[in-house]
Amino acid sequence: GAGVSQSPSNKVTEKGKDVELRCDPISGHTALYWYRQSLGQGLEFLIYFQGNSAPDKSGLPSDRFSAERTGGSVSTLTIQRTQQEDSAVYLCASSESGGSGETQYFGPGTRLLVL
Amino acid sequence: GQNIDQPTEMTATEGAIVQINCTYQTSGFNGLFWYQQHAGEAPTFLSYNVLDGLEEKGRFSSFLSRSKGYSYLLLKELQMKDSASYLCAVRHYQLIWGAGTKLIIKP
Repeated sequence: GAGVSQSPSNKVTEKGKDVELRCDPISGHTALYWYRQSLGQGLEFLIYFQGNSAPDKSGLPSDRFSAERTGGSVSTLTIQRTQQEDSAVYLCASSESGGSGETQYFGPGTRLLVL
Repeated sequence: GQNIDQPTEMTATEGAIVQINCTYQTSGFNGLFWYQQHAGEAPTFLSYNVLDGLEEKGRFSSFLSRSKGYSYLLLKELQMKDSASYLCAVRHYQLIWGAGTKLIIKP
């Protein structure tokens, strides 16, 4: 596709359940980012993938959060044993190669609600 | 610590000019971005400054002073469609984002 896509667009889950969020970056982009945005807040960096390098996981808030990127393209963010404070919009972005001045292109996000 | 400050909300009139300020205190600096985010949508890129000075792009301009840790986004000839949140982000290793400024345009 032409842009970054994410699925599902909305997810409602019960506290304690696991969820998986998917991101398809722009074709050819080697850098992929996951962010979280709570209502009325700025974006919170979660994790960054660049090519075959080890991911930068410095933003993951707890060990319940993990992410992988298979084949250098699609990425999945997994939240285990979800908590109500995990409710937020999860945004994925990609850029050409992760350079400092590169524009990041965002997907439409997954709105997660934990009941 | 890392800190980026923007006003929470601003109101302006259609056709007017508005300046949205951003101040930052970060342990490193590799450029400053402005993104626009309409309600319920993903952020979209507006501008990038890495050197001091003014970058003009149509109705939008962005200014940077690295010595002052300060940037502003200037929007001219405001249109109703400019009603959105404007996010300032500083690149260190990763992007550090401000909470955004919600801009309300009134007729």
